[in-house]
Amino acid sequence: DQQVKQNSPSLSVQEGRISILNCDYTNSMFDYFLWYKKYPAEGPTFLISISSIKDKNEDGRFTVFLNKSAKHLSLHIVPSQPGDSAVYFCAASDWLDTGNQFYFGTGTSLTVIP
Amino acid sequence: EAGVTQFPSHSVIEKGQTVTLRCDPISGHDNLYWYRRVMGKEIKFLLHFVKESKQDESGMPNNRFLAERTGGTYSTLKVQPAELEDSGVYFCASSPNRDEKTNEQFFGPGTRLTVL
Repeated sequence: DQQVKQNSPSLSVQEGRISILNCDYTNSMFDYFLWYKKYPAEGPTFLISISSIKDKNEDGRFTVFLNKSAKHLSLHIVPSQPGDSAVYFCAASDWLDTGNQFYFGTGTSLTVIP
Repeated sequence: EAGVTQFPSHSVIEKGQTVTLRCDPISGHDNLYWYRRVMGKEIKFLLHFVKESKQDESGMPNNRFLAERTGGTYSTLKVQPAELEDSGVYFCASSPNRDEKTNEQFFGPGTRLTVL
C-alpha cells in the first residue's frame, strides 16, 4: 500500500517556464517531507525539504509548498533550466518515529526543453 | 568529504545464485539504510541500521535477504538464493546521529542487480 503518490510519471516544460511537480500522501503522521532529484545511473540527491510546521520553503529557484489538510505537496522550479531534467522523487517521514525510514513516491521524470 | 559508496555498480546473476552488495556510508554517520527500486516503481525501504544494530527491518522482503553491519561501519546485503523478482536498483543511504538538526539521508549511486 503506497503511502506517497506521484501521479504524473512525466512532465515536459519549456526552458524559462515554471515546472510544478505534485505529490500526495495518505499518512497523517508524516511530518517531514523531502524532494530528491535523480540523474540516470546516479543515486538520488537531496534537493529541498519542509517540516509540517511550515507551508512553504524556498531555496533559490526551488520552492516546496505543503498543504496538510489536503495531504499534498508540490515542488515549483522557476525558471526551469535544461539541467533540471531528471527524475524527481517525493519522500515523507515521521520524524518522531525512531526508525525514520523514508517513504518515496514513484517519481516524476521532468524534461526541460531548451 | 567522500559520499556514500556502493559496490558493485551492477551485477548480473542467474536465478539461484548468491550476490552480496556492499555499502560504505559517509564516515561518522550512525544511520545506514537500504532501499530498493524495482523498475518504474517507488524507492522502497528495506532496513535501517543504527551503528551495528538493526533498528528496523520491516521492509526486508523475505529470509533470502540478509543484511549485516559488523563494527558499525560498512554494510553488506546478501541475497541467497536470488530470484527473478529481486532485480532492481539497490540504494544505500546514510545520515548522521538524530541529535543533529537534519533529516536528510545521503544516497549512494546504487547497485543495479539483474537476475536472469
